[in-house]
Order: sequence, then structure tokens, then C-alpha cells
Amino acid sequence: RKEVEQDPGPFNVPEGATVAFNCTYSNSASQSFFWYRQDCRKEPKLLMSVYSSGNEDGRFTAQLNRASQYISLLIRDSKLSDSATYLCVVYSGGYNKLIFGAGTRLAVHP
Amino acid sequence: EPEVTQTPSHQVTQMGQEVILRCVPISNHLYFYWYRQILGQKVEFLVSFYNNEISEKSEIFDDQFSVERPDGSNFTLKIRSTKLEDSAMYFCASSEAGAFFGQGTRLTVV
Repeated sequence: RKEVEQDPGPFNVPEGATVAFNCTYSNSASQSFFWYRQDCRKEPKLLMSVYSSGNEDGRFTAQLNRASQYISLLIRDSKLSDSATYLCVVYSGGYNKLIFGAGTRLAVHP
Repeated sequence: EPEVTQTPSHQVTQMGQEVILRCVPISNHLYFYWYRQILGQKVEFLVSFYNNEISEKSEIFDDQFSVERPDGSNFTLKIRSTKLEDSAMYFCASSEAGAFFGQGTRLTVV
């Protein structure tokens, strides 16, 4: 089993749509979780941390289910500028290592 | 806003040569990382560095690679005897909680 697995995508959605990304992780001892976005040929950029209580930042909502080892990201009212690859990232061994999922590509069209 | 800076942005080198990739992490961060991303593939962990020593390294990070923090600001990745398959984007990151990535060095081995 891969350490971090994501929906393969790609997701093609119209502007204004709601889209959800899912991610599972294998190490039950993992403590910290994040979503990053990566534009083509650019660096990963931190989008938001993920907490057990769930957290929201504008149109973005992240959830963590420790029992299921499952992380999600919801984007509401999607914009053209949301088109990117979304990366699920899990810290392993304290802060020693961030493990990236393969990413899910999102394409928002007019 | 503080950021991680990497130089050069693009490096072309002949097979068998040595290259040094340079990074200036965010100043108050304690954890530093090198990652690589082969075109079209996932972001792969190479090495993490904490308290002036390697805290974890991947299977990729063999004797061909080394890291140094020669002074209080710079963090370098040295790749010896470069091979064609070393061609990739190399990202440096630093972390306090979530990790912040530099813009990357595109290494092309010819």
C-alpha cells in the first residue's frame, strides 16, 4: 500500500462547481496533514493545514478522519484560477519527512 | 513575506560532472529538506536536515548525494557524477509547521 494515496483524476469541472478531493494515508502514527497546490512546472505551495476538527479557509474546507486515515479537501464555487494539481501531504516521523501523494489534477473550465 | 530562495533556477551539466544546488531557507525555520520531481511524476523526498545533521534520508539519497549547511544561511545539495536520470526539478523546503518550498532548480543532465 502506498504511504499516501489520492484520487487519480483529472477532474474537469465548470466554473462554480463544488469539487472534492480524497486522500488516504497508511501510517496511523502520522500527526500532521496538509494540502498543497502545484501549478505546472512550479513549486508546491501550502494551501492549508488539516485538523481533526475540520478547518475552512474561504471556499476551501479540509477534513481529517483519523479512524479511517482519510483526508479530504472541498472547493466550493470553483474558479478558473483553481486549476492546478492538488497534493495531499503527510508528515512522517515528526517533522523529518513530508510524504506527498501523487496529486489530483483539477481543470476548471468556463 | 519570508520565502525560500534557490539558485540557480536552471542548471545544465554534462553527464559525470558534479553540481551544487543552493538554497537559502526561511531564517527562523529549523527543518530543511530537499525533494526532487522528475517531469510528470510525483514529488519525491530526498533528505531532511535538522540541528546541522541529516535527520532522515530516502533510498534515492545514496553516496552520490550530500548536503551541507556551510554557514548560518545557505543549505546546499551536491550531486556527484551526474547521470541522465538525475534530470529533474530539485526543490528545497524549510519548515516550522507546514513546509515552504523554493521555486526549484531545473537540472538537465546531457
